[in-house]
Amino acid sequence: GDSVTQMEGPVTLSEEAFLTINCTYTATGYPSLFWYVQYPGEGLQLLLKATKADDKGSNKGFEATYRKETTSFHLEKGSVQVSDSAVYFCALSDLGNEKLTFGTGTRLTIIP
Amino acid sequence: DAGITQSPRHKVTETGTPVTLRCHQTENHRYMYWYRQDPGHGLRLIHYSYGVKDTDKGEVSDGYSVSRSKTEDFLLTLESATSSQTSVYFCAISGLAQSSYNEQFFGPGTRLTVL
Repeated sequence: GDSVTQMEGPVTLSEEAFLTINCTYTATGYPSLFWYVQYPGEGLQLLLKATKADDKGSNKGFEATYRKETTSFHLEKGSVQVSDSAVYFCALSDLGNEKLTFGTGTRLTIIP
Repeated sequence: DAGITQSPRHKVTETGTPVTLRCHQTENHRYMYWYRQDPGHGLRLIHYSYGVKDTDKGEVSDGYSVSRSKTEDFLLTLESATSSQTSVYFCAISGLAQSSYNEQFFGPGTRLTVL
């Protein structure tokens, strides 16, 4: 079945550091890939998505590229801010499937 | 704002009591979902609905039932709550025509504690 493996957390970085959160997936078809973010005490919000190979999703300075050859969708940001502190979830939805499969989440803390 | 609310937001109950959580949406999304979030497990799907009176099980459905009698409401019921059902429960919606059918929008969550 489908699965998503995320980089273990927690991750702590200084403000303005470069961020990478790794995500790899296993899927039987041609999935769409997502990154969701959860701020403290809130529900999940869609951060970015990509629907086919080599697509790049981007939002709020975050980027992720759909790499079919390595089955990966790593999240990157060039210069993180304290306000980026949150839990980040990688997820996939296989073609024709309305359900999402989530990774276990990566807690990110940015210190000033 | 996808127009999704959950009630109650917090609940403490005792083992063996029935509990019902409500998810309400205002934008006519076709699909509705219930997840639970636990440390080390991410989000796990409990049940979902693909239309009024149409529901199906997710990966952790044991001990839970759902009902959807109208488009805007999706109820999750714990018939006899157990301590292992202490969790944060999230409702999600998807399937509006203007957005990708598999792009889900989440409610604020319900924190349930079973003593």
